[in-house]
Amino acid sequence: DIQMTQSPASLSASLGETVSIECLASEDIYNNLAWYQQKPGKSPQLLIYYASSLQDGVPSRFSGSGSGTQYSLKINSLESEDAATYFCLQDSEYPWTFGGGTKLELK
Amino acid sequence: EVQLVETGGGLVQPGRSLKLSCVASGFTFSSYWMYWIRQAPGKGLEWVSSINTDGGSTYYPDSVKGRFTISRDNAENTVYLQMNSLRSEDTATYYCAKDSIFITIAAPFAYWGQGTLVTVSS
Repeated sequence: DIQMTQSPASLSASLGETVSIECLASEDIYNNLAWYQQKPGKSPQLLIYYASSLQDGVPSRFSGSGSGTQYSLKINSLESEDAATYFCLQDSEYPWTFGGGTKLELK
Repeated sequence: EVQLVETGGGLVQPGRSLKLSCVASGFTFSSYWMYWIRQAPGKGLEWVSSINTDGGSTYYPDSVKGRFTISRDNAENTVYLQMNSLRSEDTATYYCAKDSIFITIAAPFAYWGQGTLVTVSS
């Protein structure tokens, strides 16, 4: 099984800052990497698919990058609504696996 | 508008069975793979199962293989998750989800239902 190691587990940042979240796959996942945002009590929402493609309706301050085994999600100019938990997912091969999540708090 | 509505959750004793349903609308159901994902209280996400468009191919992680069965009824726009031999560690909110397809690239889990809570406890 492909293991997804997500870091950091938690993050505190100020409004207007830029933050990055990383996911490291245990083997090459060929850009088959998606990012999700989940707010408390809500279903997750897709932000990025195929490593760097922005889902319709997602603000352009979100971006994804990476290749091979290393991927990252960057959020520019943090807004209050970005406080949430973020997860990565590899859908390269079954069983599909998620990262452990990153809880982003706004100072 | 895509809508996915899960039902069937509740409190069940260990070793018993439960069947979840997810009714879909707003898209051509028979053209899309469907999925179940779960989230234990306060924990992360775990993919639980996938089913192809005609139901002929299904996939599961080892944690549920042999106990859970995904199926679909394309005439009723519904996907099911039959859960047998339930364990306390199956306690979670269960979500159904679908992809979006952009030319040749699938955006996994682009749409999610609101989830249904399954609690396995005596």
